[in-house]
Amino acid sequence: QKEVEQNSGPLSVPEGAIASLNCTYSDRGSQSFFWYRQYSGKSPELIMFIYSNGDKEDGRFTAQLNKASQYVSLLIRDSQPSDSATYLCAVTKGWGKLQFGAGTQVVVTP
Amino acid sequence: DAGITQSPRHKVTETGTPVTLRCHQTENHRYMYWYRQDPGHGLRLIHYSYGVKDTDKGEVSDGYSVSRSKTEDFLLTLESATSSQTSVYFCAIGLAGGPGIGEQFFGPGTRLTVL
Repeated sequence: QKEVEQNSGPLSVPEGAIASLNCTYSDRGSQSFFWYRQYSGKSPELIMFIYSNGDKEDGRFTAQLNKASQYVSLLIRDSQPSDSATYLCAVTKGWGKLQFGAGTQVVVTP
Repeated sequence: DAGITQSPRHKVTETGTPVTLRCHQTENHRYMYWYRQDPGHGLRLIHYSYGVKDTDKGEVSDGYSVSRSKTEDFLLTLESATSSQTSVYFCAIGLAGGPGIGEQFFGPGTRLTVL
């Protein structure tokens, strides 16, 4: 079992719709959770982080955390073609380290 | 842009040769990391550093060594490159201040091909 699991996709989303990405993790000691966006051939870019149970909204992005279920998700509202990328989930592991999932590819279709 | 540069950006080398990748940061961050990224595996931690001359192994450290003699530079060395080390290598800086924090910001990456 991987420590951080994500569906690899591709997740095909019509333009203007909501994209829903899921991530589960195995370490109950993880305290911080991150979503990175990575365009093809580029480096990962931090788009959201969340520490507390519940929802956190930033523009068109909403991160949701449920520590009891060891589950974190990312919603992208009003999806645009520019949102087509791979989204990486990461969780803290010990002191100063992150454990990454393999990523979910999102394709927004016009 | 977190002021991170990596050099070289692309390198092709032959099996058995030594290779050194350089990561340079301009913002005096204490924590620095080297990852490799391969299809289907996501980002995997090779080595990390929590200060000058303070380094530790990550999950895929075999065949790699690191050095950090200055805050701004973190070097990754492949002592004798193998084809399995063909990958994209990312350096990152971290804002770690405790177990509950930990945003990391990535450099542009180095694409290494070992023939």
